[in-house]
Amino acid sequence: QSALTQPRSVSGSPGQSVTISCTGTSSDVGGYNYVSWYQQHPDKAPQLTIYDVSKRPSGVPDRFSGSKSDNTASLTISGLQAEDEADYYCCSYAGNYTYVFGTGTKVTVL
Amino acid sequence: EVQLLESGGALVQPGGSLRLSCAASGFTFSSYAMSWVRQAPGKGLEWVSAISSSGVNTYYTDSVKGRFTISRDNSKNTLYLQMNSLRTEDTAVYYCAKPVFQPGSIGYWGQGTLVSVSS
Repeated sequence: QSALTQPRSVSGSPGQSVTISCTGTSSDVGGYNYVSWYQQHPDKAPQLTIYDVSKRPSGVPDRFSGSKSDNTASLTISGLQAEDEADYYCCSYAGNYTYVFGTGTKVTVL
Repeated sequence: EVQLLESGGALVQPGGSLRLSCAASGFTFSSYAMSWVRQAPGKGLEWVSAISSSGVNTYYTDSVKGRFTISRDNSKNTLYLQMNSLRTEDTAVYYCAKPVFQPGSIGYWGQGTLVSVSS
């Protein structure tokens, strides 16, 4: 299983929108609607931000949205805020209870 | 409220063994497949192993096959990871993880337990 490909970093000013891509294959991202995104602050456990491609858990601001097209999933943060600065990881179900994670993206708020 | 509490992390020498535990509460443990995910210092997340709800089926990432064994005790709501022949590259925080729904996206994580492999 190869890691899903994410950009190493993205940045934006407060109030702007940023989009993080997550590219896999037809065996993972393209094959299942079980893509999730996690926000991770330094020395903290990952926090679920989006699950099942586009669903937001309760408590996650609607500034966060997810989508998928073919083998690529995306996370968009609209109205960027200072507290959004963190590492973000995508993850896809890959069948037989297995998962594959993305390489991670550092989001910087300028 | 779903709670996952890992324990068992420690400093161990290369070639040594360790058993991690994950105590689960707040959901019907026996109804969900469970996973272990790790994160090496300064690195990304890596799925390590999974076990079906009954415990019959187990799955591993290639780098740990033959060295790690995942198991569960549904009567104790506890997940385990037996780690043998440990290598320096196994150094990481190990998280216990549960999907939101079965099957589906990983949605819940424990706080993690640190395994350090060093001489």
